[in-house]
Amino acid sequence: NAGVTQTPKFQVLKTGQSMTLQCAQDMNHEYMSWYRQDPGMGLRLIHYSVGAGITDQGEVPNGYNVSRSTTEDFPLRLLSAAPSQTSVYFCAISDTKGDQPQHFGDGTRLSIL
Amino acid sequence: AQSVAQPEDQVNVAEGNPLTVKCTYSVSGNPYLFWYVQYPNRGLQFLLKYITGDNLVKGSYGFEAEFNKSQTSFHLKKPSALVSDSALYFCAVRDDAGNMLTFGGGTRLMVKP
Repeated sequence: NAGVTQTPKFQVLKTGQSMTLQCAQDMNHEYMSWYRQDPGMGLRLIHYSVGAGITDQGEVPNGYNVSRSTTEDFPLRLLSAAPSQTSVYFCAISDTKGDQPQHFGDGTRLSIL
Repeated sequence: AQSVAQPEDQVNVAEGNPLTVKCTYSVSGNPYLFWYVQYPNRGLQFLLKYITGDNLVKGSYGFEAEFNKSQTSFHLKKPSALVSDSALYFCAVRDDAGNMLTFGGGTRLMVKP
């Protein structure tokens, strides 16, 4: 039982490139979310999903896209990477809508040059 | 808008001594309060939460937190610190309307032998 798996663990991109951060869970939780972590700022919500086929914006959605075609997967897409998107990205899950995140992945460290 | 303040970037304690990590919050309505811990290169782990009831909440790994409505605080405590408690601690809040979780900037706890 892996819980929440994020890939890749590290990535370096050039400005303007696009990429997809993967998040997969094996706990059958309905609620999935993406956060970014920046020094001194805690975690900020990017996008979230309350179930397959349903997504919504969080606090800092600009420059990111998500989709939720299955319960297990919730990929985060950077459309055109910018240096301001250099951050650590975390995927989180919970089994109750509106409840706090219960399990986090180990993160993807992304650098945009 | 809701907010969380963790006034200390770092807290240093000696092993065996009691520890306190401070958190104050601002939210409309009744607060839902949470503490998470993050070890190096890992995602956040849920420690405890306050929704209603007893002002003293007990959580994982011997941690507890005290809710003080008049001081709008939710300080994390442990009677006897361990070196293995050294990590980054985050306080978070949301209102009872189910709005997004807001995280504090984090406090690094260093427990020295």
